[in-house]
Amino acid sequence: DAKTTQPNSMESNEEEPVHLPCNHSTISGTDYIHWYRQLPSQGPEYVIHGLTSNVNNRMASLAIAEDRKSSTLILHRATLRDAAVYYCICSNSGYALNFGKGTSLLVTP
Amino acid sequence: GAGVSQSPRYKVTKRGQDVALRCDPISGHVSLYWYRQALGQGPEFLTYFNYEAQQDKSGLPNDRFSAERPEGSISTLTIQRTEQRDSAMYRCASSKRQGRNTEAFFGQGTRLTVV
Repeated sequence: DAKTTQPNSMESNEEEPVHLPCNHSTISGTDYIHWYRQLPSQGPEYVIHGLTSNVNNRMASLAIAEDRKSSTLILHRATLRDAAVYYCICSNSGYALNFGKGTSLLVTP
Repeated sequence: GAGVSQSPRYKVTKRGQDVALRCDPISGHVSLYWYRQALGQGPEFLTYFNYEAQQDKSGLPNDRFSAERPEGSISTLTIQRTEQRDSAMYRCASSKRQGRNTEAFFGQGTRLTVV
């Protein structure tokens, strides 16, 4: 599975959009890009995943670069409840997810 | 149940004792995963089942760790002769189908402390 690089931390104001970047320059053609988040004292929570095309769901949007070497998770309107560690994972197997350290998102009122 | 259920939620054991951690996946979920998470770190893969078959156990740290899922539903992670370095949060996850194009649902975890 491809290694991912994410900023250690980011900060956002409440009710503003948040763009969380992820670099995965060694991604293979069959790797899916998964995003999970982990709220304090909780288990990881699935956010979104995609292969090549941009994806939208009720939680977020995933924008995937044309060369697939990077992606961005977009939270359209951050709330205090979105404060969490966000993990970007490239997975070929689908099960041995390599979570890494993720990005710690702070949302301020 | 509504989600992945793990028991016990907390376990304190003495060094050298065996422990068994239980995972009850979402009903009908084919795949089941075990992860371990140290404080301040992301989860680390341990092992994976499709139905009752253990497909990958490459993440198990050593032969003191074993897992089973005999009827393709509930799974047990067993740690024999526990050591202090085994202290961590153990997390179980399940997914509806196998493969890359799927999402995993995680339980609340079992916090294991070896004293």
